[in-house]
Amino acid sequence: KAGVTQTPRYLIKTRGQQVTLSCSPISGHRSVSWYQQTPGQGLQFLFEYFSETQRNKGNFPGRFSGRQFSNSRSEMNVSTLELGDSALYLCASSLGQRDNEQFFGPGTRLTVL
Amino acid sequence: GIQVEQSPPDLILQEGANSTLRCNFSDSVNNLQWFHQNPWGQLINLFYIPSGTKQNGRLSATTVATERYSLLYISSSQTTDSGVYFCAVEPRGAGSYQLTFGKGTKLSVIP
Repeated sequence: KAGVTQTPRYLIKTRGQQVTLSCSPISGHRSVSWYQQTPGQGLQFLFEYFSETQRNKGNFPGRFSGRQFSNSRSEMNVSTLELGDSALYLCASSLGQRDNEQFFGPGTRLTVL
Repeated sequence: GIQVEQSPPDLILQEGANSTLRCNFSDSVNNLQWFHQNPWGQLINLFYIPSGTKQNGRLSATTVATERYSLLYISSSQTTDSGVYFCAVEPRGAGSYQLTFGKGTKLSVIP
């Protein structure tokens, strides 16, 4: 069974631009979560989607948004990029019940210049 | 929100030595997972262990949910064990569906 895939793997943008990251979950998984990892803040939860609905959202500004499609694939968007948005963005998938194991993709490394 | 503390923050071992990593959490949890982050950043699942004990080769883990801690044991360490180990928990309660991570333990195994 294929794992979680994320595209692109690396991205360089300039301040003020916007970016869209994509995540394809493990086949059969209906929940997709997004996390941001920075050296200063560690791993922080962004949001979680299940059956195209956002069930939970972390403490991030409205510039960070996401969506999930009917095939469970998910995208996250960051608008008006800031230098501090440079980070590793990780996507995780699970079956979607409260105590399910989560599996992570390889991540997208975003650099904002 | 729930607090997750990992200790020690850094650990240097000689190849072949054993080690114990600890994770303390401040509230009841539905889920507890241990991960190893590889040099390219991917989180590799080690254990899904909200309670009890599990073993996988040279690695084993124990979670005592009533006392709110989990331990990861690495025996006969190898240089390939180097990296950052994270503990992550899903708090019990409505509206969760998120993992809260500790700051990690950076393990360096030297030949």
